[in-house]
Amino acid sequence: DTEVTQTPKHLVMGMTNKKSLKCEQHMGHRAMYWYKQKAKKPPELMFVYSYEKLSINESVPSRFSPECPNSSLLNLHLHALQPEDSALYLCASSQVSDRAYEQYFGPGTRLTVT
Amino acid sequence: GENVEQHPSTLSVQEGDSAVIKCTYSDSASNYFPWYKQELGKRPQLIIDIRSNVGEKKDQRIAVTLNKTAKHFSLHITETQPEDSAVYFCAASNTDKLIFGTGTRLQVFP
Repeated sequence: DTEVTQTPKHLVMGMTNKKSLKCEQHMGHRAMYWYKQKAKKPPELMFVYSYEKLSINESVPSRFSPECPNSSLLNLHLHALQPEDSALYLCASSQVSDRAYEQYFGPGTRLTVT
Repeated sequence: GENVEQHPSTLSVQEGDSAVIKCTYSDSASNYFPWYKQELGKRPQLIIDIRSNVGEKKDQRIAVTLNKTAKHFSLHITETQPEDSAVYFCAASNTDKLIFGTGTRLQVFP
């Protein structure tokens, strides 16, 4: 199984809401990533988890809170978002190695903040 | 830190022609160079990658070349088909952090 899954596919939320994005992979990968992608732009790295520990945090605002409950799951908790946070949120996973490895992306959650 | 430049930003070709997309990187420590294809509304999909110990890699109609001295790498698509139409992103890395280029929108006209 070479697939990363994400739920929900679409999410509309108000600026006072709290919601969560979910990601799952069953490839035995031990690194998982959250990216944000705006229209016509490349993915921007937000967080990296390696062996369930946060290893990279790209100075993302605290209204985004990642969580890695186990090696197969990755969540992104959202609270008090702004309209400019509307984007495609992509999860990815890869092997952990002492060298760079292939990253496989999930289908993404299209988030709209109203 | 690493910076990746990608050209052209848009590319239009006739079906059957070849397409070439070029990227340059700044960090000589980068040793992994993947290419992703992203169709409208879909996920980025890894189509080919190359490591710094290899100069060229080919997979059917797609090939990637790497010039470590000049710090640039290119994607070559031969015999293009309408279904090759998408946005293509190059990236460079030497760790678990990919640095993406700005993307190339390829349109293949029948």
